[in-house]
Amino acid sequence: AQSVTQLGSHVSVSEGALVLLRCNYSSSVPPYLFWYVQYPNQGLQLLLKYTSAATLVKGINGFEAEFKKSETSFHLTKPSAHMSDAAEYFCAVSVNDMRFGAGTRLTVKP
Amino acid sequence: DAGVIQSPRHEVTEMGQEVTLRCKPISGHNSLFWYRQTMMRGLELLIYFNNNVPIDDSGMPEDRFSAKMPNASFSTLKIQPSEPRDSAVYFCASSLDLGARTEAFFGQGTRLTVV
Repeated sequence: AQSVTQLGSHVSVSEGALVLLRCNYSSSVPPYLFWYVQYPNQGLQLLLKYTSAATLVKGINGFEAEFKKSETSFHLTKPSAHMSDAAEYFCAVSVNDMRFGAGTRLTVKP
Repeated sequence: DAGVIQSPRHEVTEMGQEVTLRCKPISGHNSLFWYRQTMMRGLELLIYFNNNVPIDDSGMPEDRFSAKMPNASFSTLKIQPSEPRDSAVYFCASSLDLGARTEAFFGQGTRLTVV
């Protein structure tokens, strides 16, 4: 069965600093991977997805993620954090159904 | 399209009562998922349907939980009887089809409090 592990339940960065949220996956078949963002009292919104077309995937709001098969990783990055990026971020892996990681809460300090 | 629509947004009920959560998926989507989110357990997949047929309900925690999808535009998740530990946010999501490439679109969730 497929699964994802998000390293770090809480990440805090200063405004303008690099954002790095870590995700490692486990799958017996080539995986499809996703990052979602959840703002308070909202549902999850898709940030980006990897479907094997390209290993570097660009998403909305300046986020991108790189699929590294050798490291079984799909880390999410953004060069410069903005206050509005404060939210919870979920990595997910899909074969037939979609399984989510535990989430990482991103705090952005002014 | 209005997206995935869930109702109610908030539900407060007494222990022992029956609770029904409702979901309208995006038109044209063939797959529907029910998730539960809590601080302790994160986002758990409870059950999913494809073409109105339940495919996997192994995530349903107990027999008190049941889900139906009578047609392509409506699904319910029922808890009978409800217990305080069922308090959580319940999300419905839909996707074009099962299969790895298709992302899920989420509703706003129903926040259930059982007192």
